[in-house]
Amino acid sequence: QKEVEQDPGPLSVPEGAIVSLNCTYSNSAFQYFMWYRQYSRKGPELLMYTYSSGNKEDGRFTAQVDKSSKYISLFIRDSQPSDSATYLCAMRETSGSRLTFGEGTQLTVNP
Amino acid sequence: GAVVSQHPSRVICKSGTSVKIECRSLDFQATTMFWYRQFPKQSLMLMATSNEGSKATYEQGVEKDKFLINHASLTLSTLTVTSAHPEDSSFYICSARGGGKGGSRSYNSPLHFGNGTRLTVT
Repeated sequence: QKEVEQDPGPLSVPEGAIVSLNCTYSNSAFQYFMWYRQYSRKGPELLMYTYSSGNKEDGRFTAQVDKSSKYISLFIRDSQPSDSATYLCAMRETSGSRLTFGEGTQLTVNP
Repeated sequence: GAVVSQHPSRVICKSGTSVKIECRSLDFQATTMFWYRQFPKQSLMLMATSNEGSKATYEQGVEKDKFLINHASLTLSTLTVTSAHPEDSSFYICSARGGGKGGSRSYNSPLHFGNGTRLTVT
């Protein structure tokens, strides 16, 4: 069983839709949770960075962490074609620096 | 925000030659940098952790004599793929921790990535 599970998609939505991206994990020691966006042939770009459970909002993006369920989500409101990319969840333990990534979800927002 | 610069973005080389990839932290000091490899439509695979002034720590299955890492300063780490073969063709990405609360040496700062280097070995 992988430490982090992420549906690879692909996910295709119309412009303006609300997108929900999710990851589940098995390691209860994970404390720091991140979402990265990766455009084709580019390095990952940090979108959201959260610690422990709770919600964090930044513009059209909202990250949610539910440690009791070992489940994290990224919501994108009013999705735009420019949001088309692969979204990677990543997490790490408090005392460690190694990041564990999900496989990434490929998102396409159609105009 | 924290910026990580990686060079070159793309390189094509002949089998048997060596290729050096540079990773620089532009606006912060990074005592630790990480090197990843990514195959098409797959996630990032950590190859090694590069520590300034000391030897790199390699992940299991990664040949340290083939993938030479040098972290000579707080802003520069290099990965050299020696005697490259076609199976080494991949997307190599570096990252550095920094820019978070507490400054670049904060253990809990987020990771920022370079734009990657696409290596093609013919």
